[in-house]
Amino acid sequence: GAVVSQHPSRVICKSGTSVKIECRSLDFQATTMFWYRQFPKQSLMLMATSNEGSKATYEQGVEKDKFLINHASLTLSTLTVTSAHPEDSSFYICSARAGGYTEAFFGQGTRLTVV
Amino acid sequence: GENVEQHPSTLSVQEGDSAVIKCTYSDSASNYFPWYKQELGKRPQLIIDIRSNVGEKKDQRIAVTLNKTAKHFSLHITETQPEDSAVYFCAANYGTASKLTFGTGTRLQVTL
Repeated sequence: GAVVSQHPSRVICKSGTSVKIECRSLDFQATTMFWYRQFPKQSLMLMATSNEGSKATYEQGVEKDKFLINHASLTLSTLTVTSAHPEDSSFYICSARAGGYTEAFFGQGTRLTVV
Repeated sequence: GENVEQHPSTLSVQEGDSAVIKCTYSDSASNYFPWYKQELGKRPQLIIDIRSNVGEKKDQRIAVTLNKTAKHFSLHITETQPEDSAVYFCAANYGTASKLTFGTGTRLQVTL
């Protein structure tokens, strides 16, 4: 299968600071990338969908000014958690999909801890 | 949007037995139903998927069945092994972007 790389795998930050998470498709062009959040022992919740070169579409209840998504190229999307608070601590996972395909491939996830 | 329900939330089977996990979905327009296996702290891994134009698909010890009329699909794992222990998620697509809605997950424990 295709390879999606996500970095960092773990990050600890102080309240009020911002954190950037990168999601790269290594061997295919990802026209669409998805960002999920997963709290302990819970399911994956879609936060937003991004298409290369256009603004991200956010799910209901997700603050677009807090979770900034940039999909500037066909191989890279970034999620920036701005002014992070302890309640933002979670496992953030991206997935990437090539144009015309249904299957999406997941990055390895980022464990964010806000202290 | 799509609503996906998954049962059971936990499942314990003895090694060699079969395991069945069931999901229902709400959007009749959904046409893609993947199943993911997630180990603790790891990414979800696609183990099998099915599209709405078929009723069953099998890959070695894993099979998935789909009943479009009833809007439910099931994962069947035969001859379970300890390494099958993980959390399994079903999902269904929806919308023009073919987003995925995930079920709540099933924690499968295969005991010796």
